Amino acid sequence: IAGITQAPTSQILAAGRRMTLRCTQDMRHNAMYWYRQDLGLGLRLIHYSNTAGTTGKGEVPDGYSVSRANTDDFPLTLASAVPSQTSVYFCASSDPGMDGYTFGSGTRLTVV
Amino acid sequence: GENVEQHPSTLSVQEGDSAVIKCTYSDSASNYFPWYKQELGKRPQLIIDIRSNVGEKKDQRIAVTLNKTAKHFSLHITETQPEDSAVYFCAASIKGYSTLTFGKGTMLLVSP
Repeated sequence: IAGITQAPTSQILAAGRRMTLRCTQDMRHNAMYWYRQDLGLGLRLIHYSNTAGTTGKGEVPDGYSVSRANTDDFPLTLASAVPSQTSVYFCASSDPGMDGYTFGSGTRLTVV
Repeated sequence: GENVEQHPSTLSVQEGDSAVIKCTYSDSASNYFPWYKQELGKRPQLIIDIRSNVGEKKDQRIAVTLNKTAKHFSLHITETQPEDSAVYFCAASIKGYSTLTFGKGTMLLVSP
């Protein structure tokens, strides 16, 4: 692993199903984030975690939950997927004093 | 919370011309302003950033300017090349917070 790894790369999911998007980083960054990217809407923050054991809500948290049991992993769970959650999801991480975020390669999720 | 507006949404230029993308932010407590470039199907990547104690920063063909009084910042690309074609996002973060608020993006097309 080098940087941030997201899995799966893409997924087609039936509405109502539960889904967990995985995000793992090996840079020992304290802060991690989940954004969704939709055409014309840019990147919108779903949830974030400033350090292991803590999480916070972003701009569009409804329908999503996260956990941060350790420094490296920050999974995003859709409890009951709906078509409006069709999007590209990016995980990112950062550390105090460093420049900007490091992004994962994204997960393209289609809810049908 | 912070709100970031970005203009234009699309920008077409001829190779060799200059391109300027402008962003405004709402919260005067914001103090970090990065710019990201996202090529088609790829992850966003940091290309340049500026902090509120600096008015301008350059890196080869790209530069960023910041006007704290007017609460706006701009990305300048000189001598554009076809490989500059991408979506560019501006962002801002409030002092003491790690989360970034992104603009909606500008699709830059550089024609040979």
